[in-house]
Order: sequence, then C-alpha cells, then structure tokens
Amino acid sequence: DIQVTQSPSSLSASVGDRVTITCRASQSISTYLNWYQQKPGKAPNLLIYGASSLRSGVPSRFSGSGSGTDFTLTISGLQPEDFATYYCQQSFTTPLTFGGGTKVEIK
Amino acid sequence: QLQLQESGPGLVKPSETLSLTCTVSGGSISSSNYFWGWIRQSPGEGLEWIGSIYYSGSTYYNPSLKSRVTISVDTSQSQFSLKLSSVTAADTAVYYCARDASARRWFDPWGQGTLVTVSS
Repeated sequence: DIQVTQSPSSLSASVGDRVTITCRASQSISTYLNWYQQKPGKAPNLLIYGASSLRSGVPSRFSGSGSGTDFTLTISGLQPEDFATYYCQQSFTTPLTFGGGTKVEIK
Repeated sequence: QLQLQESGPGLVKPSETLSLTCTVSGGSISSSNYFWGWIRQSPGEGLEWIGSIYYSGSTYYNPSLKSRVTISVDTSQSQFSLKLSSVTAADTAVYYCARDASARRWFDPWGQGTLVTVSS
C-alpha cells in the first residue's frame, strides 16, 4: 500500500495567515493527489484534485502543488470558515489511501 | 445537483453483518465516468477507503477488508449497497458513500455519513 503522511498533524493560525500543509507519499504518485476539507460532524469536501486543480466553487485562496512524492496545500489568507481538518488522498493505485489529517485551529 | 444519502441500521451486534445502502439522486448512477464508493471514519480517526463499484457491477475492494466486504449496485433503484460481515467493535465508524471519479479516483460529492455502532 502507498502510505501518505501529512504534516503537521495540527497547527494554530490567525485569520489572514498563510497556511501550508504538506503531504508525502511513500512512493511516486505523479499528480494523483487530492485534498479535502472536513468540518466537525460533516462529510469531507473535495478542494483540490490532480494535485493542483481547484474544484469548481472552491475559493481561489486554496491552492495545491507538487508531484512525485511531495505535495502542499496552501491557504493564502486564512478565513474564519477555513478552520477545519484537511486530508490528502492518493489515487495512484488501490487501495486508495488518505493521510492522517491536519487540524487547523484558531490561534 | 448530485446528492447521495446513506441509510441503514445504526446499531449492529458483534459477529453480525453490517448493511448500508446509498441512494443517488440528481444524476445517473449508470454514468461511465464514475465509480461509487464507500469510505469509513472511526471515531476520532482518519479516513479508510472500503471499496468502490462500477454501474456494471465491477468491484474494487481494500485488501484489508476484502474478505468481509461485498458491494453491490441496483441501477433501477439508483442505489448501491455495502455489506460488511463478522463485525467487531473496531468496525464502529461513520460510513460515507461518495462518487468516485473513475479516471483519477477522487471522491466528490459525499453523502452526509451514517454512524454505525457495533455493540451487543
């Protein structure tokens, strides 16, 4: 199985901050990497697919980059509604696997 | 707008079979571009892909659960279903259904999720 490791597992940030979350795959996965946002008690929502493509309707302050084994999700100008947990997911091969999540909390 | 909704018992006894159904509305379950998947999330834990099914019935399972999982589809009812046998407390989780983009395998949208507790 391809392991995906997210870091950090949690972070504290203020409104307006630039936040970067990292996802590392245990082997090269090209750009088969997706990012989700999950709020408490809700299902995850797709933010970024194919490492860098923004899902329609997702604010442009969210961006993704990377290829191979190293990927980042960046939130440029954190907003109050962005406090949530973020997950990456590799879709290069089955079993499809998720990172352990990064909880973004209010500083 | 495509919507998915999980349904099924919220409480299952140990050693029994967990059964859930996902109803798809606002779009066709028979689209050639998508699979239909099940993902679970144990309390306070991360996300685990269980498996996915194509409208033709082709299935893809997580090897870690494959011996206990059956996913089926009923295109006439726009539904797909999950059965997980011989459950234990470790199978207690929120179970989500989601559309699985077949070419690149991302999940969008998701159902709201349903909590299944395994307890006697």
